[in-house]
Amino acid sequence: IVLTQSPDTLSLSPGERATLSCRASQSVSRGYLTWYQQKPGQAPRLLIYGTSTRATGIPDRFSGSGSGTDFTLTIGRLEPEDFAVYYCQQYGSSPPTWTFGQGTRVEIK
Amino acid sequence: QVILREYVPALVKPTQTLTLTCRFSGFSLSTGGMCVGWLRQPPGKALEWLALIDWEDEKYYNTSLKTRLAISKDTSENQVVLTMTNMVAGDTGTYYCARTYFDGGADGGYFDSWGQGALVTVSS
Repeated sequence: IVLTQSPDTLSLSPGERATLSCRASQSVSRGYLTWYQQKPGQAPRLLIYGTSTRATGIPDRFSGSGSGTDFTLTIGRLEPEDFAVYYCQQYGSSPPTWTFGQGTRVEIK
Repeated sequence: QVILREYVPALVKPTQTLTLTCRFSGFSLSTGGMCVGWLRQPPGKALEWLALIDWEDEKYYNTSLKTRLAISKDTSENQVVLTMTNMVAGDTGTYYCARTYFDGGADGGYFDSWGQGALVTVSS
């Protein structure tokens, strides 16, 4: 399965809403679609798993939705610390494989 | 508290074999459902999963790299080792180890804890 994220770069101002898309080449189980945030020089940080469940400590301005081949990460109101690169990832169970999208950079406008 | 840390050589020469060690604490690979994986990220590029080993010593590999990879674990030492043979310049990047687990629930397959990453440069 190939994951394609769009857009590649999103230029927004603090306080604005961000909508990031992740499209899969084949249907992905909702339980196996994950979003990560990565800041420069840091490891990825788990944000959302199971399409819509926030990881521990993740603020509620982050939300995930979708099904089938189309998934979305929404950041309700951008805070300065939210400017980063976001990756979607899917898990395929037969055989076990983990695939990432190419990432969406959210930058300050 | 789950902690993972990568131990890798900073520089390897083309054609050499790279050995990466992940030492972790806060969980055990003898616990049902626990897994440790290796991932990498070329400079400025996306993440790529390489390999994973589970609590039952089952091993899974990225099919595009399978012939070059071997993963193993030492449960008593809380470490996972990945070897990658025949290194080339395109293997340069930051290598991460990360934990995932399967608890029989409806969701899974996500890496919830990551090491800080370690940069490997392949150059003569």
